[in-house]
Amino acid sequence: GQQVMQIPQYQHVQEGEDFTTYCNSSTTLSNIQWYKQRPGGHPVFLIQLVKSGEVKKQKRLTFQFGEAKKNSSLHITATQTTDVGTYFCAVRAGGTSYGKLTFGQGTILTVHP
Amino acid sequence: SAVISQKPSRDICQRGTSLTIQCQVDSQVTMMFWYRQQPGQSLTLIATANQGSEATYESGFVIDKFPISRPNLTFSTLTVSNMSPEDSSIYLCSVPRGQRAETQYFGPGTRLLVL
Repeated sequence: GQQVMQIPQYQHVQEGEDFTTYCNSSTTLSNIQWYKQRPGGHPVFLIQLVKSGEVKKQKRLTFQFGEAKKNSSLHITATQTTDVGTYFCAVRAGGTSYGKLTFGQGTILTVHP
Repeated sequence: SAVISQKPSRDICQRGTSLTIQCQVDSQVTMMFWYRQQPGQSLTLIATANQGSEATYESGFVIDKFPISRPNLTFSTLTVSNMSPEDSSIYLCSVPRGQRAETQYFGPGTRLLVL
């Protein structure tokens, strides 16, 4: 399956600072998805990107898919304590493996009030 | 949105024993997925459970260790057999969401500690 590398592994920010996590692949991706897992919780779907250069926004969250469809980023503006958690990118397989997700390593975000 | 429940929510088990985890969905779904999340790690797909056929296991996971049942379109079980401390993880089931089944809903997870 397709592999994705996610960086950084950890990010500590002061409340109000911005945060960005990156997902990179050596091969072209057909899609990329982002999930958030709160401490003690389960992954929750945030967004899916499928088009080259696509940018989507959800309030303070901005998601981008690179022009070459080999990288993606999630940017949070003015972090809040409610943003704490682990952010995962994931790639959905196609063909006979349709639906299966391969997850990046995740970025653990802590926000200091 | 799908509502997924898992039982048990957490358990502490002795090595050498087995634990069966249940996953119940409030709607019929063709595919159900089982993931493992080791402490501080990402999610790794164990297998895909399809109703009426054998589960499809990912590389590194075998049926003898993780037998799966899928008796109907709303229910599945994953058994962790002959457990060792290395099996201490969160086990999550998930189902596709949306008409195109491109993304997934996850259950709340089963937190397993093996002593």
